[in-house]
Formats: sequence, structure tokens, C-alpha cells
Amino acid sequence: QKEVEQNSGPLSVPEGAIASLNCTYSDRGSQSFFWYRQYSGKSPELIMSIYSNGDKEDGRFTAQLNKASQYVSLLIRDSQPSDSATYLCAVNGPNDYKLSFGAGTTVTVRA
Amino acid sequence: SQTIHQWPATLVQPVGSPLSLECTVEGTSNPNLYWYRQAAGRGLQLLFYSVGIGQISSEVPQNLSASRPQDRQFILSSKKLLLSDSGFYLCAIGQVSGANVLTFGAGSRLTVL
Repeated sequence: QKEVEQNSGPLSVPEGAIASLNCTYSDRGSQSFFWYRQYSGKSPELIMSIYSNGDKEDGRFTAQLNKASQYVSLLIRDSQPSDSATYLCAVNGPNDYKLSFGAGTTVTVRA
Repeated sequence: SQTIHQWPATLVQPVGSPLSLECTVEGTSNPNLYWYRQAAGRGLQLLFYSVGIGQISSEVPQNLSASRPQDRQFILSSKKLLLSDSGFYLCAIGQVSGANVLTFGAGSRLTVL
């Protein structure tokens, strides 16, 4: 059973600031890492995937992976009120049909 | 592109009543299908997954069951609901090969009273 832990939040940031979200995982064999965004009352939607150590940037989002430390993070630059949501970290291993999710971190961006 | 249909979107059921949630997908063949549940304020819990017709793997012992009668149909059922079955039920498609990226349907919100 893979364990995925996220900082519990809630995280409140002013508009235009950087929001930093952290996630750790227990299975050292994990190979695929994802960040999903979930608006209140809606289903999760994929915003980032990362498979190799280092940084991956997509617009205002940057995912960072450190497999040695079993740590993955998400940075949201120039935070906007529309970024207010719960962010879920998800992890799975090689040839693994199952994706394990963290409990999520709720982000509120203050206008 | 893949499309996931879930229904009903919302339902309120009394304790002890049966349940049937349906998920159908379009735009893909032989997908991996998943049922997740999200209780209020909680993370996503994997309930069942299926890699093909009639092939169901259960992750958590409970009073729920799943069936896959057709390639693109996945059904979640219960004979007698418990209060603890309340939650947001999400059907998802996973890629058959490579990284297991999941795409979720809109969900079915169940309240058991």
C-alpha cells in the first residue's frame, strides 16, 4: 500500500504570490507522479505529471521531483483567485494499475 | 477524445436501500476503469478497478460491489446502504500502457440518511 502525504493546509496566499505545495510518498519504487486540481463540488482534473528528477514547467505551474528524498512539489506562480481549489498529489509505480492519492491541500488565493 | 458519463449525478437514499451507479465511456476501447470514493473533506479512496470485461479487483472490503458487463460500462452496486457509504463516487479511465494517467468523470454524489 503506497502512502502519500501532503501538507494539510489550508494554504492562504495573496494574489500574485507563489503557492508551494508539498507531497511525500513511501514507496521508493514509485515512478509516476501527478498533481490534480479539484474545485469544490467537482471532480479532479490533471494539471501536471512528472516522471524524472528535476523540474517541469507548464505555464504558471512547476512540478519538482526528488526521488532520493521521495518528495514531489508543486509551485503555482502569480497565483490567481481561480487557482483556489484543492490540489491532490498522486503516485503510482511501474506496471501498477492503481494510483494512490494524498488527502489534498486546499489553497485559497486572496484578491 | 475520451468521454466519461456518470449517473445519477446526485441521489439521496435511506439506510438499507440498494444502490446502482453507472459509468459509461466513449472514445476508447478496452480501457482500465476505476471507482474511487471521496468522503467529505477526505482524499480519494480506490474501491474497484477493472482491466477488462468481467475482471474486477476490489481494494477495500465493504458492502459495495462492482461489475463490468460490457467493455465500456462499469457499475457500482450495493444491496444495503450504510450511513458510511455517503460520499462522492468517481469513475475514471486509465491509460492501458505507459504511465497510468487517470481521467475522471463528473461524479455521483450520494447521501445516505
